[in-house]
Amino acid sequence: GEDVEQSLFLSVREGDSSVINCTYTDSSSTYLYWYKQEPGAGLQLLTYIFSNMDMKQDQRLTVLLNKKDKHLSLRIADTQTGDSAIYFCAESLTGGGNKLTFGTGTQLKVEL
Amino acid sequence: GAVVSQHPSWVICKSGTSVKIECRSLDFQATTMFWYRQFPKQSLMLMATSNEGSKATYEQGVEKDKFLINHASLTLSTLTVTSAHPEDSSFYICSAPTQGNQPQHFGDGTRLSIL
Repeated sequence: GEDVEQSLFLSVREGDSSVINCTYTDSSSTYLYWYKQEPGAGLQLLTYIFSNMDMKQDQRLTVLLNKKDKHLSLRIADTQTGDSAIYFCAESLTGGGNKLTFGTGTQLKVEL
Repeated sequence: GAVVSQHPSWVICKSGTSVKIECRSLDFQATTMFWYRQFPKQSLMLMATSNEGSKATYEQGVEKDKFLINHASLTLSTLTVTSAHPEDSSFYICSAPTQGNQPQHFGDGTRLSIL
């Protein structure tokens, strides 16, 4: 079955860049997503990328996909204290109409 | 603004009670909705796929008689935790794709605490 792994914790200083990494096992994954979860809240979709893309940039967010290594990363430029949250990567075989398999989540802590 | 609304946001009840959680799509129709469960400091685990007009599809290990899902309309899916016990205490989150293969949007979740 699918398996999605992330490092558990990342600490950065305000203003620095954050890079959150994710590895997945299912080479059939077509869509890959990044979600943000603040304490006690649901998930907020940040961005997503199709498997035929290598990179996607959206304001402060840059997603890189290495399909050969099955590695996905999310870079947050100029990280702010409001970016402190848990970040989940997720993969889907056929897009939104199909179930998502979530990574273990990375807790990002932004320090002053 | 929110595209998926979930209600209630927090429930505390006694063991043996049945609890219903609603998930509504706002301004769009959802033939498919998903129900996830999240234990503290853990990731989301899919429980079931809710299909409008037909039976839900449950993931392995999820008791269909324990977690009743009804997708009665194109904008509403409900999850009923029947005869809830303390081990059912968790954070339940629903999601729906806005259209076709568009990404899923999530509700704000329901925190269920069984005493």
